[in-house]
Amino acid sequence: AQSVTQPDIHITVSEGASLELRCNYSYGATPYLFWYVQSPGQGLQLLLKYFSGDTLVQGIKGFEAEFKRSQSSFNLRKPSVHWSDAAEYFCAVGSGTASKLTFGTGTRLQVTL
Amino acid sequence: DVKVTQSSRYLVKRTGEKVFLECVQDMDHENMFWYRQDPGLGLRLIYFSYDVKMKEKGDIPEGYSVSREKKERFSLILESASTNQTSMYLCASSLLTGFSPLHFGNGTRLTVT
Repeated sequence: AQSVTQPDIHITVSEGASLELRCNYSYGATPYLFWYVQSPGQGLQLLLKYFSGDTLVQGIKGFEAEFKRSQSSFNLRKPSVHWSDAAEYFCAVGSGTASKLTFGTGTRLQVTL
Repeated sequence: DVKVTQSSRYLVKRTGEKVFLECVQDMDHENMFWYRQDPGLGLRLIYFSYDVKMKEKGDIPEGYSVSREKKERFSLILESASTNQTSMYLCASSLLTGFSPLHFGNGTRLTVT
């Protein structure tokens, strides 16, 4: 069965600092990988996705993620965090048909000014 | 832009009541999903549907049922609500073809007393 691990429950960074959120997955075949962001009181918004090809993918809001098959990882990065990036971030892996996703437990990002 | 609308933002129900959570999408998506979100557990799939009148169990279907009579509408039913079903419920939709990202509603926070 597929699974996703986000080892960091809560991360605090200063505005302007760089950010890396960790995601490790377990899946037998080539995975479909996603990062979603959830602002307080909102649903989830897609940041970026990886299906195949270039292992470094660019997303919205200046985020990027790198797929590393050897490490079963898909970490999310941003070079300079803004206060508006404070939210909860979810990594997800997809399988089979019908776009069925398995989500990690999320990482809550706090940004200090 | 895809819009997924959940009919209620907050609901308070009593133990034993029958509860209906409604979700409507306006982009003719074939797939629709119901997830439950709990702190520390991330999102867990309850049920999904890939066509009208079709449904499949997700990871935690016990205590829930669903209905999809029209393509745009997907209802989650709690036949007899219990306090352990107090949670945030998120509806999502996606296209059937390829591996289309999920589009989420803003969620319904259900409290069962």
